[in-house]
Amino acid sequence: EAGVTQFPSHSVIEKGQTVTLRCDPISGHDNLYWYRRVMGKEIKFLLHFVKESKQDESGMPNNRFLAERTGGTYSTLKVQPAELEDSGVYFCASSLGGNTEAFFGQGTRLTVV
Amino acid sequence: AQSVTQLGSHVSVSEGALVLLRCNYSSSVPPYLFWYVQYPNQGLQLLLKYTSAATLVKGINGFEAEFKKSETSFHLTKPSAHMSDAAEYFCAVSEGTYKYIFGTGTRLKVLA
Repeated sequence: EAGVTQFPSHSVIEKGQTVTLRCDPISGHDNLYWYRRVMGKEIKFLLHFVKESKQDESGMPNNRFLAERTGGTYSTLKVQPAELEDSGVYFCASSLGGNTEAFFGQGTRLTVV
Repeated sequence: AQSVTQLGSHVSVSEGALVLLRCNYSSSVPPYLFWYVQYPNQGLQLLLKYTSAATLVKGINGFEAEFKKSETSFHLTKPSAHMSDAAEYFCAVSEGTYKYIFGTGTRLKVLA
């Protein structure tokens, strides 16, 4: 069975550009989460979807970040316009239930120059 | 508010030596505690978790951790390090939900 898959694995963009990250959760997992790790710091929660609904987006840094999960399957996280401080590794995770083990993807390393 | 402190951003051990990675947590409610590992170019993988059952938790690859409430600690140990254990390790706490609070990570280097 495929795990959580994230695309792309790396992205380098210029400040002011737009980037869209994609996450494909494990099939059948209704819960999907986004986390981010800024270099050298802790991994921080961004938001949580249950199916296509946002349950908790308290960790989203600002309104330059937009997450969607149309149809309750894959999710996208768009950063527009990107700033230097957005650089980091973005992790996606999915779980069957809201309080069961979350399985993480390999992350997308975003570099804004 | 919950928090996690991992002492030592880098730890080096010799192959065959004891691995000890430290994690202290803060939580106002009985916590759920986790250790995750990230191997190069891979995702975060769950090593083990504590969810208020036995205080000594055994995980994959020979790792274990002991929950010590009095010390608010959840240190990760392995009796004998292997080269394949070289990775970054993350301690995390939650209140029983999906919202993990992670530590800053400890990169383990295993010396031949």
